[in-house]
Amino acid sequence: AQSVTQPDIHITVSEGASLELRCNYSYGATPYLFWYVQSPGQGLQLLLKYFSGDTLVQGIKGFEAEFKRSQSSFNLRKPSVHWSDAAEYFCAGNTGTASKLTFGTGTRLQVTL
Amino acid sequence: GAGVSQSPSNKVTEKGKDVELRCDPISGHTALYWYRQSLGQGLEFLIYFQGNSAPDKSGLPSDRFSAERTGGSVSTLTIQRTQQEDSAVYLCASSLFQSSYEQYFGPGTRLTVT
Repeated sequence: AQSVTQPDIHITVSEGASLELRCNYSYGATPYLFWYVQSPGQGLQLLLKYFSGDTLVQGIKGFEAEFKRSQSSFNLRKPSVHWSDAAEYFCAGNTGTASKLTFGTGTRLQVTL
Repeated sequence: GAGVSQSPSNKVTEKGKDVELRCDPISGHTALYWYRQSLGQGLEFLIYFQGNSAPDKSGLPSDRFSAERTGGSVSTLTIQRTQQEDSAVYLCASSLFQSSYEQYFGPGTRLTVT
């Protein structure tokens, strides 16, 4: 079955520190992969997406993610975290035959000042 | 431009009552999705509409749940005889066309069943 796994439920980083949020996928073929961010009481905002081609993708708010087929991973990174980045982050995937998104369980990011 | 809108933003209902949740997708988006976000189940797909094709209802948890999309635009998710386990945030998303795979989400409707 198709699945997306986010191993870390909660991560705390200091403002200005670098960030990496992990995401692993399990699909029969290479999926389309996404990272979304959800602030409290808000909907989901798309940060970035990977369809094909360059395995390092840039997104909004200074985020980037790297697709690694050998590790079945699509980790999200940011070189310097800001307090406003505190939110919940979801990795998601879908395929060409099923556009519905399969989400990971989310990682809650806390930023300390 | 305007994003996906949902109404109401919050809904409190008594167990056993029916509720209707509304979604207005981004203008011109032909695909529309409903998801549910709950503490125990995370984010889960409910139903998907694409143009005039038959909807993909594979995620609906029971026959108490139904949805329709009128005129290829606005969608209504109906939950009949609500149960406490239906309490969740119901999210709607739309995309330009199926092959784009990029979905834009509304703010959600928080449903509380008492």
